[in-house]
Amino acid sequence: DAMVIQNPRYQVTQFGKPVTLSCSQTLNHNVMYWYQQKSSQAPKLLFHYYDKDFNNEADTPDNFQSRRPNTSFCFLDIRSPGLGDAAMYLCATSPRMRRPNNEQFFGPGTRLTVL
Amino acid sequence: AQTVTQSQPEMSVQEAETVTLSCTYDTSESDYYLFWYKQPPSRQMILVIRQEAYKQQNATENRFSVNFQKAAKSFSLKISDSQLGDAAMYFCAYRNFAQGGSEKLVFGKGTKLTVNP
Repeated sequence: DAMVIQNPRYQVTQFGKPVTLSCSQTLNHNVMYWYQQKSSQAPKLLFHYYDKDFNNEADTPDNFQSRRPNTSFCFLDIRSPGLGDAAMYLCATSPRMRRPNNEQFFGPGTRLTVL
Repeated sequence: AQTVTQSQPEMSVQEAETVTLSCTYDTSESDYYLFWYKQPPSRQMILVIRQEAYKQQNATENRFSVNFQKAAKSFSLKISDSQLGDAAMYFCAYRNFAQGGSEKLVFGKGTKLTVNP
């Protein structure tokens, strides 16, 4: 089945130690998103790619970076994780046409713990 | 900025009964889209139903329907004949209409639904 895959499902890192989360998709969607979801809070968009066009949300900290080497893969890099970065990170995709009623397809998320 | 409010952190329903989850939003836009997403425990979020603001008719998908009140900026989700598999966190989300503009989905904080056998 076509899907959005996130690896790993659980990631533990140390304070200040760089960490990379990965997302892959078999849907061949042009748009990929990264959301941060803290406990008991709403998912919050960090950034998204439309093809290779990177779009950063204004309030996304500089500590968060992203790479999209090809259509299928997208990475979230946290350069110096702090305790406040512990959260569930959700990857999502949506189809080619930039239409506001497009459904977003979500991966299962990576739960990041910072020690 | 748009905001989405879900005033019920938790709800419970008996199997086969009906439950309504509330959502209100704030926007100055006239054209937009509203969504309900379901996030089961340890599983990915999936779309339950969507509503275009310019459509007066309420969206329906099998046992799921919405009550969209544009003037009141209210968008509630009704689940009929609740099943054990409906147990999940439900998120209400908003998106502007402007094509080619922001891709942002604005989410509420979610409502945790428990279905009792």
